[in-house]
Amino acid sequence: DAGVTQSPTHLIKTRGQQVTLRCSPKSGHDTVSWYQQALGQGPQFIFQYYEEEERQRGNFPDRFSGHQFPNYSSELNVNALLLGDSALYLCASSWAGTGWEKLFFGSGTQLSVL
Amino acid sequence: GQQLNQSPQSMFIQEGEDVSMNCTSSSIFNTWLWYKQEPGEGPVLLIALYKAGELTSNGRLTAQFGITRKDSFLNISASIPSDVGIYFCAGQRGDSNYQLIWGAGTKLIIKP
Repeated sequence: DAGVTQSPTHLIKTRGQQVTLRCSPKSGHDTVSWYQQALGQGPQFIFQYYEEEERQRGNFPDRFSGHQFPNYSSELNVNALLLGDSALYLCASSWAGTGWEKLFFGSGTQLSVL
Repeated sequence: GQQLNQSPQSMFIQEGEDVSMNCTSSSIFNTWLWYKQEPGEGPVLLIALYKAGELTSNGRLTAQFGITRKDSFLNISASIPSDVGIYFCAGQRGDSNYQLIWGAGTKLIIKP
Protein backbone atom coordinates (compact mmCIF):
# COMPACT_ATOMS: atom_id res chain seq x y z
CA ASP A 1 0.00 0.00 0.00
CA ALA A 2 1.61 3.19 -1.20
CA GLY A 3 1.62 6.04 1.24
CA VAL A 4 1.36 9.69 0.32
CA THR A 5 3.40 10.47 -2.77
CA GLN A 6 4.53 13.94 -3.79
CA SER A 7 6.16 15.18 -6.94
CA PRO A 8 8.60 16.56 -7.75
CA THR A 9 10.92 15.97 -4.79
CA HIS A 10 13.03 19.04 -5.54
CA LEU A 11 12.38 22.13 -7.62
CA ILE A 12 14.34 25.28 -8.40
CA LYS A 13 12.51 28.35 -9.68
CA THR A 14 13.25 32.05 -10.07
CA ARG A 15 11.35 34.96 -8.61
CA GLY A 16 8.11 35.73 -10.40
CA GLN A 17 7.66 32.25 -11.83
CA GLN A 18 4.76 29.93 -11.13
CA VAL A 19 4.97 26.39 -9.73
CA THR A 20 2.65 23.40 -9.42
CA LEU A 21 3.21 20.69 -6.83
CA ARG A 22 1.36 17.38 -6.91
CA CYS A 23 0.16 14.96 -4.28
CA SER A 24 -1.44 11.51 -4.34
CA PRO A 25 -3.06 10.59 -1.03
CA LYS A 26 -2.75 7.30 0.79
CA SER A 27 -5.17 4.70 -0.52
CA GLY A 28 -8.58 5.10 1.12
CA HIS A 29 -8.01 8.69 2.19
CA ASP A 30 -10.36 11.46 1.06
CA THR A 31 -8.88 14.60 2.62
CA VAL A 32 -5.72 16.42 1.58
CA SER A 33 -3.96 19.16 3.54
CA TRP A 34 -0.98 21.22 2.43
CA TYR A 35 1.65 22.64 4.77
CA GLN A 36 4.71 24.84 4.31
CA GLN A 37 7.73 24.05 6.46
CA ALA A 38 10.58 26.56 6.65
CA LEU A 39 13.99 25.32 7.77
CA GLY A 40 14.07 24.76 11.52
CA GLN A 41 10.35 25.45 11.94
CA GLY A 42 7.17 23.49 12.34
CA PRO A 43 4.75 23.13 9.44
CA GLN A 44 2.40 26.04 8.66
CA PHE A 45 -1.09 25.21 7.41
CA ILE A 46 -1.86 26.41 3.88
CA PHE A 47 -5.26 24.80 3.17
CA GLN A 48 -7.29 21.61 3.30
CA TYR A 49 -9.34 20.02 0.54
CA TYR A 50 -12.29 17.71 1.01
CA GLU A 51 -14.81 16.61 -1.59
CA GLU A 52 -12.98 18.73 -4.17
CA GLU A 53 -13.61 21.91 -2.19
CA GLU A 54 -11.24 24.07 -0.16
CA ARG A 55 -12.59 23.45 3.32
CA GLN A 56 -10.29 25.74 5.27
CA ARG A 57 -7.46 28.10 4.50
CA GLY A 58 -4.56 29.28 6.62
CA ASN A 59 -2.91 32.68 6.60
CA PHE A 60 -1.44 32.52 3.12
CA PRO A 61 -1.96 35.01 0.26
CA ASP A 62 -4.09 34.33 -2.79
CA ARG A 63 -0.92 33.51 -4.73
CA PHE A 64 -1.32 30.09 -3.14
CA SER A 65 -4.14 28.10 -4.68
CA GLY A 66 -5.04 24.48 -4.92
CA HIS A 67 -7.27 21.87 -6.38
CA GLN A 68 -8.52 18.41 -5.49
CA PHE A 69 -9.51 15.98 -8.21
CA PRO A 70 -12.26 13.32 -8.16
CA ASN A 71 -9.63 10.64 -7.39
CA TYR A 72 -8.67 12.70 -4.27
CA SER A 73 -5.26 13.69 -5.61
CA SER A 74 -4.36 17.34 -5.22
CA GLU A 75 -2.26 20.15 -6.62
CA LEU A 76 -0.76 23.19 -4.97
CA ASN A 77 -0.09 26.18 -7.22
CA VAL A 78 2.00 29.17 -6.25
CA ASN A 79 2.08 32.22 -8.52
CA ALA A 80 4.53 35.12 -8.64
CA LEU A 81 7.11 33.29 -6.55
CA LEU A 82 9.03 35.23 -3.90
CA LEU A 83 12.35 34.36 -2.31
CA GLY A 84 10.46 33.76 0.94
CA ASP A 85 8.46 30.96 -0.67
CA SER A 86 11.56 28.75 -0.49
CA ALA A 87 10.57 25.92 1.85
CA LEU A 88 9.59 22.28 2.12
CA TYR A 89 5.99 21.81 1.00
CA LEU A 90 4.29 18.91 2.68
CA CYS A 91 1.14 17.19 1.57
CA ALA A 92 -0.81 15.18 4.12
CA SER A 93 -3.81 12.94 3.63
CA SER A 94 -6.38 11.65 6.07
CA TRP A 95 -9.71 9.90 6.15
CA ALA A 96 -12.71 11.78 7.47
CA GLY A 97 -14.02 8.53 8.95
CA THR A 98 -11.25 8.25 11.53
CA GLY A 99 -10.47 11.95 11.96
CA TRP A 100 -9.06 14.51 9.56
CA GLU A 101 -6.39 15.38 12.12
CA LYS A 102 -4.65 12.01 11.88
CA LEU A 103 -2.44 13.18 9.06
CA PHE A 104 -0.22 10.94 6.94
CA PHE A 105 2.51 13.03 5.35
CA GLY A 106 4.46 12.64 2.16
CA SER A 107 8.20 13.31 2.08
CA GLY A 108 7.61 16.77 0.66
CA THR A 109 8.73 18.92 -2.24
CA GLN A 110 11.76 21.09 -1.53
CA LEU A 111 11.23 24.38 -3.39
CA SER A 112 14.09 26.79 -3.86
CA VAL A 113 13.35 30.24 -5.28
CA LEU A 114 16.38 32.12 -6.61
CA GLY B 1 1.84 32.52 11.82
CA GLN B 2 1.10 31.38 15.33
CA GLN B 3 3.11 28.52 16.69
CA LEU B 4 2.93 26.61 19.90
CA ASN B 5 5.75 27.09 22.40
CA GLN B 6 7.69 23.87 22.48
CA SER B 7 10.56 23.12 24.85
CA PRO B 8 13.30 22.26 25.08
CA GLN B 9 14.52 23.23 21.64
CA SER B 10 17.00 20.33 21.66
CA MET B 11 18.12 17.58 23.99
CA PHE B 12 21.32 15.58 24.23
CA ILE B 13 20.63 12.34 26.01
CA GLN B 14 22.34 9.06 26.82
CA GLU B 15 20.85 5.86 25.52
CA GLY B 16 18.59 4.43 28.19
CA GLU B 17 17.61 7.80 29.66
CA ASP B 18 14.04 9.00 30.00
CA VAL B 19 13.05 12.12 28.02
CA SER B 20 10.42 14.76 28.73
CA MET B 21 9.26 17.59 26.50
CA ASN B 22 6.30 19.92 26.55
CA CYS B 23 4.19 22.26 24.50
CA THR B 24 2.29 25.31 25.73
CA SER B 25 -0.07 27.90 24.36
CA SER B 26 -1.99 30.95 25.54
CA SER B 27 -5.08 29.53 23.81
CA ILE B 28 -7.28 26.56 24.64
CA PHE B 29 -6.97 23.57 22.34
CA ASN B 30 -9.50 20.81 21.65
CA THR B 31 -7.01 18.29 20.31
CA TRP B 32 -3.29 17.72 20.84
CA LEU B 33 -1.12 15.53 18.67
CA TRP B 34 2.53 14.53 18.72
CA TYR B 35 4.46 13.83 15.54
CA LYS B 36 8.06 12.76 14.85
CA GLN B 37 10.03 13.87 11.80
CA GLU B 38 13.25 12.29 10.57
CA PRO B 39 15.59 13.83 7.97
CA GLY B 40 14.16 13.82 4.46
CA GLU B 41 10.76 12.61 5.60
CA GLY B 42 7.41 14.09 6.53
CA PRO B 43 6.16 13.97 10.13
CA VAL B 44 4.71 10.69 11.43
CA LEU B 45 1.85 10.64 13.91
CA LEU B 46 2.79 9.20 17.31
CA ILE B 47 -0.10 9.98 19.64
CA ALA B 48 -3.43 11.85 19.46
CA LEU B 49 -5.19 13.27 22.56
CA TYR B 50 -8.79 14.45 22.68
CA LYS B 51 -9.77 15.12 26.31
CA ALA B 52 -8.30 17.26 29.08
CA GLY B 53 -6.32 15.07 31.46
CA GLU B 54 -6.10 12.21 28.96
CA LEU B 55 -2.97 10.07 29.23
CA THR B 56 -2.15 7.89 26.21
CA SER B 57 0.76 5.54 25.53
CA ASN B 58 2.30 4.19 22.35
CA GLY B 59 5.02 1.74 23.33
CA ARG B 60 7.69 3.66 25.25
CA LEU B 61 5.99 6.97 24.48
CA THR B 62 3.42 8.52 26.79
CA ALA B 63 1.62 11.82 26.16
CA GLN B 64 -0.78 13.84 28.27
CA PHE B 65 -3.42 16.45 27.44
CA GLY B 66 -2.99 19.17 30.06
CA ILE B 67 -5.83 19.91 32.47
CA THR B 68 -5.93 23.57 31.46
CA ARG B 69 -6.18 22.50 27.78
CA LYS B 70 -3.35 24.92 27.09
CA ASP B 71 -0.51 22.42 27.22
CA SER B 72 0.60 18.89 26.46
CA PHE B 73 3.52 16.69 27.46
CA LEU B 74 5.44 13.85 25.85
CA ASN B 75 7.64 11.38 27.68
CA ILE B 76 9.91 8.77 26.15
CA SER B 77 11.18 6.05 28.46
CA ALA B 78 14.50 4.22 28.08
CA SER B 79 15.56 6.04 24.93
CA ILE B 80 17.21 4.11 22.11
CA PRO B 81 19.18 5.35 19.06
CA SER B 82 16.17 5.18 16.74
CA ASP B 83 14.40 7.78 18.91
CA VAL B 84 16.63 10.42 17.27
CA GLY B 85 14.62 12.96 15.33
CA ILE B 86 12.51 16.07 15.75
CA TYR B 87 9.35 15.81 17.84
CA PHE B 88 6.54 18.23 17.06
CA CYS B 89 3.43 19.01 19.00
CA ALA B 90 0.39 20.13 17.04
CA GLY B 91 -2.97 21.34 18.24
CA GLN B 92 -6.43 22.10 16.94
CA ARG B 93 -8.24 25.13 18.38
CA GLY B 94 -12.00 25.34 18.64
CA ASP B 95 -12.20 28.30 16.26
CA SER B 96 -10.08 26.66 13.60
CA ASN B 97 -11.85 23.49 12.67
CA TYR B 98 -9.51 21.85 10.17
CA GLN B 99 -6.20 23.57 10.88
CA LEU B 100 -3.38 22.21 13.00
CA ILE B 101 -1.05 24.71 14.68
CA TRP B 102 2.47 23.39 15.24
CA GLY B 103 5.35 23.94 17.59
CA ALA B 104 8.89 24.52 16.33
CA GLY B 105 9.99 21.07 17.45
CA THR B 106 12.28 19.43 19.99
CA LYS B 107 15.38 17.88 18.43
CA LEU B 108 16.46 14.70 20.18
CA ILE B 109 20.14 13.77 19.86
CA ILE B 110 21.71 10.68 21.37
CA LYS B 111 25.19 11.16 22.88
CA PRO B 112 27.65 8.63 21.47
